[in-house]
Amino acid sequence: LAKTTQPISMDSYEGQEVNITCSHNNIATNDYITWYQQFPSQGPRFIIQGYKTKVTNEVASLFIPADRKSSTLSLPRVSLSDTAVYYCLVGDTNSGTYKYIFGTGTRLKVLA
Amino acid sequence: DTEVTQTPKHLVMGMTNKKSLKCEQHMGHRAMYWYKQKAKKPPELMFVYSYEKLSINESVPSRFSPECPNSSLLNLHLHALQPEDSALYLCASSQDGQDPLYGYTFGSGTRLTVV
Repeated sequence: LAKTTQPISMDSYEGQEVNITCSHNNIATNDYITWYQQFPSQGPRFIIQGYKTKVTNEVASLFIPADRKSSTLSLPRVSLSDTAVYYCLVGDTNSGTYKYIFGTGTRLKVLA
Repeated sequence: DTEVTQTPKHLVMGMTNKKSLKCEQHMGHRAMYWYKQKAKKPPELMFVYSYEKLSINESVPSRFSPECPNSSLLNLHLHALQPEDSALYLCASSQDGQDPLYGYTFGSGTRLTVV
């Protein structure tokens, strides 16, 4: 059963750039890739979305290679408040029903 | 209004109780979702409503019963739950169908404890 996989955890220091990858080998041709941030006891919050190449907004960048089998969320100059769990969300057809499934999640800890 | 509101925020219920979780959005979104999240795990899809019709049921046990009274409201009725059903239950909405274009908007969740 294909899964959308991410590194379990990452540590970084304040002010550094953090790159979090997501592997989605079975992504469909017309699927977007979406990233979410989640703090404890809160719902996930939309960060950024892309289809190919590079997308940038006020909080992050998203890099998607030509084969689209992976994506990288880039957080520039992280602060303590960026400590959270980060999930990618991609379409999945393995069960026969098309639906969107969260990746395994990456727990980012930002240190002072 | 750009929020999804879930009530209650916390719920403790016995295994013989009947309770309901409520979710409301006024963004004109036409798809609504229930997710279950256990500690240190990603949200797990339970149900999808698209244009007020149940479009996906992820083989959820019948002790969980969803209801979509109108395009702004989503309920999850609970009956005869087990302690392993204790989790954070998240509601979400999106503009159209299941397409996450522009993303899903999540509520803050209901922390459910079954005793």
